[in-house]
Amino acid sequence: NAGVTQTPKFQVLKTGQSMTLQCAQDMNHEYMSWYRQDPGMGLRLIHYSVGAGITDQGEVPNGYNVSRSTTEDFPLRLLSAAPSQTSVYFCASTTGGLNIQYFGAGTRLSVL
Amino acid sequence: EDKVVQSPLSLVVHEGDTVTLNCSYEVTNFRSLLWYKQEKKAPTFLFMLTSSGIEKKSGRLSSILDKKELFSILNITATQTGDSAVYLCAVEARVNTGKLIFGQGTTLQVKP
Repeated sequence: NAGVTQTPKFQVLKTGQSMTLQCAQDMNHEYMSWYRQDPGMGLRLIHYSVGAGITDQGEVPNGYNVSRSTTEDFPLRLLSAAPSQTSVYFCASTTGGLNIQYFGAGTRLSVL
Repeated sequence: EDKVVQSPLSLVVHEGDTVTLNCSYEVTNFRSLLWYKQEKKAPTFLFMLTSSGIEKKSGRLSSILDKKELFSILNITATQTGDSAVYLCAVEARVNTGKLIFGQGTTLQVKP
């Protein structure tokens, strides 16, 4: 049972480039979320989804897009990368009952 | 605005010491409070607290919630170097969204 899988683990982008961070879970969880983690700031919610076809903005959504076409996948798109998006990104999933979120291993992104 | 505040932000102790980490919150629709441990990679779940005054324990770690005063503490007794990590507190503030609001985290370093 793989749990939550994120790819890639590391990525370096130039300012203005676009890319997609992949997230997949095999636990049939309804809810999925994307967080970014910056030094001294804990985890901040970017976007979340309560089911296939349903997404909503979190605390820091600007510069990011998401979609949820299947229960398993929740990709995060950076349309035009900026140095301020240099961060570690975590994807998480949870069932609807007890909100114990399970996290992927993270993607470390640097934007030059 | 919902917020979660942890203190202290960092802590250095020696093996065998007992530590207490604090988490206070202000949210409009509290549902649960969670503690996570993060060692270089993804956060891993420690405790979920929903009821006031009921202590959750796991080995040398324990946690309790005070819903009247809006805070929780995480205690670690007889600390070991393996306890060195960032400890994150998070609150679920809306039912059936999968959203968590995280505090900044407390970085604990345990010296031999």
